[in-house]
Amino acid sequence: GQSLEQPSEVTAVEGAIVQINCTYQTSGFYGLSWYQQHDGGAPTFLSYNALDGLEETGRFSSFLSRSDSYGYLLLQELQMKDSASYFCAAILDSNYQLIWGAGTKLIIKP
Amino acid sequence: KAGVTQTPRYLIKTRGQQVTLSCSPISGHRSVSWYQQTPGQGLQFLFEYFSETQRNKGNFPGRFSGRQFSNSRSEMNVSTLELGDSALYLCASSLDSGSALETQYFGPGTRLTVL
Repeated sequence: GQSLEQPSEVTAVEGAIVQINCTYQTSGFYGLSWYQQHDGGAPTFLSYNALDGLEETGRFSSFLSRSDSYGYLLLQELQMKDSASYFCAAILDSNYQLIWGAGTKLIIKP
Repeated sequence: KAGVTQTPRYLIKTRGQQVTLSCSPISGHRSVSWYQQTPGQGLQFLFEYFSETQRNKGNFPGRFSGRQFSNSRSEMNVSTLELGDSALYLCASSLDSGSALETQYFGPGTRLTVL
């Protein structure tokens, strides 16, 4: 089967750095996307990686290692508004369909 | 540019009934995907429509169906509702330029409660 594993919950302090990991097991992997969803809101796109390495977008960075079937989302200078659920989603190369992880709830403490 | 809209936002039905949910994609977007979201389960892919044709389908029973109209608006239908169908149903649209890394834009969802 195809699956993605990510921690169900992560807690961090405002101003700190947090890393949310995602391991995947899929056939025909093309790339990894990350989405943010606030409570009661719709998921919004954050970043994607098609190649190994780090992609940086402001305070958010995403990393991919194809050989390890692993990626992570790095959030720096955490703000209270970053409290949300974060989803990794694998893009399949056969039909570009997204396979989603169950999400990581990020709790930020002042 | 207006975002993805979904109607209704909330719906309460009883077991055995059927329901139709509607999604209007961002203007110019040709691909519409539907997802079911339940607590702790992430997003489960239902199906994707492009040019009025179902292009991809997830592992859901035949009670779940959908369609897309010529203006790219899409509907999904669930027949013979079960308690387990209670969930947030999300619609996402994308431009479908052919890129694998195309961003999906989500609507606010329809929260369906089955009693």
